Amino acid sequence: DTGVSQDPRHKITKRGQNVTFRCDPISEHNRLYWYRQTLGQGPEFLTYFQNEAQLEKSRLLSNRFSAERPKGSFSTLEIQRTEQGDSAMYLCASSFSGFGYTFGSGTRLTVV
Amino acid sequence: DQQVKQNSPSLSVQEGRISILNCDYTNSMFDYFLWYKKYPAEGPTFLISISSIKDKNEDGRFTVFLNKSAKHLSLHIVPSQPGDSAVYFCAAGLGQGAQKLVFGQGTRLTINP
Repeated sequence: DTGVSQDPRHKITKRGQNVTFRCDPISEHNRLYWYRQTLGQGPEFLTYFQNEAQLEKSRLLSNRFSAERPKGSFSTLEIQRTEQGDSAMYLCASSFSGFGYTFGSGTRLTVV
Repeated sequence: DQQVKQNSPSLSVQEGRISILNCDYTNSMFDYFLWYKKYPAEGPTFLISISSIKDKNEDGRFTVFLNKSAKHLSLHIVPSQPGDSAVYFCAAGLGQGAQKLVFGQGTRLTINP
């Protein structure tokens, strides 16, 4: 197991398009988190899953954002009708019940 | 509402000297604190953590100090090495099995030869 994998690494999209990112966590980790990082800021919590259940969503996650974790394995984060303000690094992390929080390398989204 | 603050955006230290990175928090409910290191184009990597029942935790060249009354923590790196040049984030959570972490804005540390 090589850690948390995120795909794609970079995504450039036109405003108004939909995008989807994928995260593959460390296999034995039951928790999966999505964070967003903008320039000059630290990562901000978006949502987290315990197994397949989405247990918390930040108010930062507007109704254009949806995340899923079918079967408690990989997760997807979809942004509909992207806006320029969505441009950021989207980070995925996984842990075993909160211990050993490990981040992926992130997906950098640029909305033009 | 910035619950975790790193007031120094950048810090420059000579190789071999001590680097001290500071972090303040406002939420007295936080009881678990972590430091992460981030290189460009990579995700944050865990460095060291401390529970609120302790005031110091040491791991090799890295020591974290926690002052609960001042709601302040600091990371000491000694001796500083060129490979330590990175952005450092402090983070806080509720319990060691925290569902989410609140991060500071980060401090860019540059180690000069």
